[in-house]
Amino acid sequence: GQQLNQSPQSMFIQEGEDVSMNCTSSSIFNTWLWYKQEPGEGPVLLIALYKAGELTSNGRLTAQFGITRKDSFLNISASIPSDVGIYFCAGRKEYGNKLVFGAGTILRVKS
Amino acid sequence: GAGVSQSPRYKVAKRGQDVALRCDPISGHVSLFWYQQALGQGPEFLTYFQNEAQLDKSGLPSDRFFAERPEGSVSTLKIQRTQQEDSAVYLCASSLVLLPIGGLEQYFGPGTRLTVT
Repeated sequence: GQQLNQSPQSMFIQEGEDVSMNCTSSSIFNTWLWYKQEPGEGPVLLIALYKAGELTSNGRLTAQFGITRKDSFLNISASIPSDVGIYFCAGRKEYGNKLVFGAGTILRVKS
Repeated sequence: GAGVSQSPRYKVAKRGQDVALRCDPISGHVSLFWYQQALGQGPEFLTYFQNEAQLDKSGLPSDRFFAERPEGSVSTLKIQRTQQEDSAVYLCASSLVLLPIGGLEQYFGPGTRLTVT
């Protein structure tokens, strides 16, 4: 089973609003990644984080690697309709090959 | 350039049938991963190849699941005697870098949706 807890499970927001979602774990991860998945497609990498405390931006997206290495946050500013999709966090443990994914946050945007 | 491609995109199998799912990674990508994604869940790791070597198959749910990558490029995931619980989307991802060194930029294909009736 999955070891990452993502919240919220879903969000229905007004276009132009900012969005925040997070991912927590009881285990330490040494890499955090955020993906977006649209219907019928595979996940697309948005942001990768490799150091505790790291804050990285990609356009309107900003993600942070928690200082405890047990959590990560994703913020989307000024949401637009094409932000709709499912956002997944994924973590990689030290010396591990596999990615562990959260269950996803479903984002819907009202225009 | 071309991304990761998977075929077929959809597969319906009767319970007990064998299926084979194909993944064409991005050319030159060393690492290849298979994941299983159940409805409403995130992908779950199945197995990992570095070139033709299968280095981790700890996520394969049973011995009915078998994966190969004989020439270090195209990979096939085979499921024997399919069961209803095998119904899921099977995702393939590839990565340029070798693990554990380097980044983890895995590029995913669109997946194969398997339905077992």
